[in-house]
Amino acid sequence: EAGVTQSPTHLIKTRGQQATLRCSPISGHTSVYWYQQALGLGLQFLLWYDEGEERNRGNFPPRFSGRQFPNYSSELNVNALELEDSALYLCASSLVVGADTQYFGPGTRLTVL
Amino acid sequence: RKEVEQDPGPFNVPEGATVAFNCTYSNSASQSFFWYRQDCRKEPKLLMSVYSSGNEDGRFTAQLNRASQYISLLIRDSKLSDSATYLCVVYTTEAGTALIFGKGTTLSVSS
Repeated sequence: EAGVTQSPTHLIKTRGQQATLRCSPISGHTSVYWYQQALGLGLQFLLWYDEGEERNRGNFPPRFSGRQFPNYSSELNVNALELEDSALYLCASSLVVGADTQYFGPGTRLTVL
Repeated sequence: RKEVEQDPGPFNVPEGATVAFNCTYSNSASQSFFWYRQDCRKEPKLLMSVYSSGNEDGRFTAQLNRASQYISLLIRDSKLSDSATYLCVVYTTEAGTALIFGKGTTLSVSS
């Protein structure tokens, strides 16, 4: 069974640009979660999508947004990039809605110059 | 107070050593508890769930003390391959569902 996949692996942008990160959950999983892991800060919860709707978001500004498509894949958009947005962005999925058992993808490493 | 706190380490131990990691959490309504392992620049992977009764998986033993809001992980007979960052993770449905991660404790096992 294929795991959670994310693309691209690496992304380099400059300040003020927009970044789009993509995630495909494990087949059959409807919930997708996004986390940010910035240097020295640990993983922080960003967004949770289920059945195409945003169910919850962490303490991040509105320029972090996303969506979930009918096939349950998801996109994270970060607008007006700032240097401190440089981080590893991890996507996870769960079989049960809002479950505590979440499976992580390999992440997208975003570098903002 | 941070929601999940861990000693960042690093813990540098020789092969065969026993090492213990501790973690405290602030939300008494937290429902589930886990230890994840994260290798350098990789995604975190679930190591084990943690229960009040304590649970063991081979060389790894995890324990939860709800009264003290304290979680522990004991690794016996350390191997070189145990070198990684160990993340203490708490699950809560308060204010929405999320896994709350500690910053991690780094373990380096040397020969």
